[in-house]
Amino acid sequence: DTEVTQTPKHLVMGMTNKKSLKCEQHMGHRAMYWYKQKAKKPPELMFVYSYEKLSINESVPSRFSPECPNSSLLNLHLHALQPEDSALYLCASSQGRTVKNQPQHFGDGTRLSIL
Amino acid sequence: QKEVEQNSGPLSVPEGAIASLNCTYSDRGSQSFFWYRQYSGKSPELIMFIYSNGDKEDGRFTAQLNKASQYVSLLIRDSQPSDSATYLCAVNDRDYGGATNKLIFGTGTLLAVQP
Repeated sequence: DTEVTQTPKHLVMGMTNKKSLKCEQHMGHRAMYWYKQKAKKPPELMFVYSYEKLSINESVPSRFSPECPNSSLLNLHLHALQPEDSALYLCASSQGRTVKNQPQHFGDGTRLSIL
Repeated sequence: QKEVEQNSGPLSVPEGAIASLNCTYSDRGSQSFFWYRQYSGKSPELIMFIYSNGDKEDGRFTAQLNKASQYVSLLIRDSQPSDSATYLCAVNDRDYGGATNKLIFGTGTLLAVQP
């Protein structure tokens, strides 16, 4: 178990469904991240929320939308996903006033399958 | 295009031997280097991080950094079958704006420790 908690651990959804992935950390970290990882590939950064500012990887389609209710929570809303979106979705966080160079700590991930 | 390169392996070593995992990076100005271990179907787990030239040791693990050669390595002493996993090298992207810490991941090296 890690200090970054992701729910659910597994999710199966149809292409017309709306669902959300949740991520929470209680380490006082000021930056949180969402990654997508396909089998045998490295994680790909989707979003960064750091010091109340959202940064987006421009290649991420609009059917993915992040939400940060507070500094310890980062949700990922899913809508009208495609089969190619099936992957392991990883949340991570990092600490410090200057978060550059700080290690990122990953949650256990959500295994998402799109039917 | 900033790149991090690793030999995909598999790297096969006998139990008790030293496993040597290597990584090269293209951005000479990179400042922070991370090694993650990822078991099949699981999330990445931080093993080591290093900021300065030289060696950093933690138990059976040693990270080595040579900025002049743009080379970082991970040594695992007394390798155990439980060390069998994919090892991801990650380097910070220093040009990523704001107080964020974008990581550039290598494709990972699969390590197999034979009993």
